[in-house]
Amino acid sequence: LAKTTQPISMDSYEGQEVNITCSHNNIATNDYITWYQQFPSQGPRFIIQGYKTKVTNEVASLFIPADRKSSTLSLPRVSLSDTAVYYCLVGVRSGAGSYQLTFGKGTKLSVIP
Amino acid sequence: EAQVTQNPRYLITVTGKKLTVTCSQNMNHEYMSWYRQDPGLGLRQIYYSMNVEVTDKGDVPEGYKVSRKEKRNFPLILESPSPNQTSLYFCASSLTPPGGAASGEQFFGPGTRLTVL
Repeated sequence: LAKTTQPISMDSYEGQEVNITCSHNNIATNDYITWYQQFPSQGPRFIIQGYKTKVTNEVASLFIPADRKSSTLSLPRVSLSDTAVYYCLVGVRSGAGSYQLTFGKGTKLSVIP
Repeated sequence: EAQVTQNPRYLITVTGKKLTVTCSQNMNHEYMSWYRQDPGLGLRQIYYSMNVEVTDKGDVPEGYKVSRKEKRNFPLILESPSPNQTSLYFCASSLTPPGGAASGEQFFGPGTRLTVL
């Protein structure tokens, strides 16, 4: 069972860049790394997904080093609306075509005015 | 509108009274999953289904049952609920298994808050 580790919480001021790192030491060769955002009383929402090096979309960037044992979600110029819990997700192949999924415990990001 | 729906959204019940939480998706997704969320523990997978009639255990399957008779529906069954199953439950679906392929984005339902007295 893959284990992921993230910081429990982070604070940031508006306009700053925020980097959240997730450790996943036993990630499998074919596993992708996915990040989700969750606001209170809502289901998680997909942010970004990557396999190696760097991925960027309109809301975030994902940096993955060559050994893939960690990944860093980067949120540029955060605003108050980015206050949420961010989860790192790594899949683990548990059988023929089956995937058991492990979410990290999440990082609560608080953006301060 | 593409979505995952869950019912009920809120439920208060008593120990031992069987209940079912329904989950339905309209995106023709093959992979569906149930999670529970508890303070300090994040999201933990209960059961998942790769396709119709194919289900498997997640991290915390004890006390739960699921079925996948149709592609769109994936109900969660608590045969004899206990207070430690008080939690916030989420159903999710994706086109392919998430985490293992580039297109495995999961879509989550709005959640079901269950209280077992």
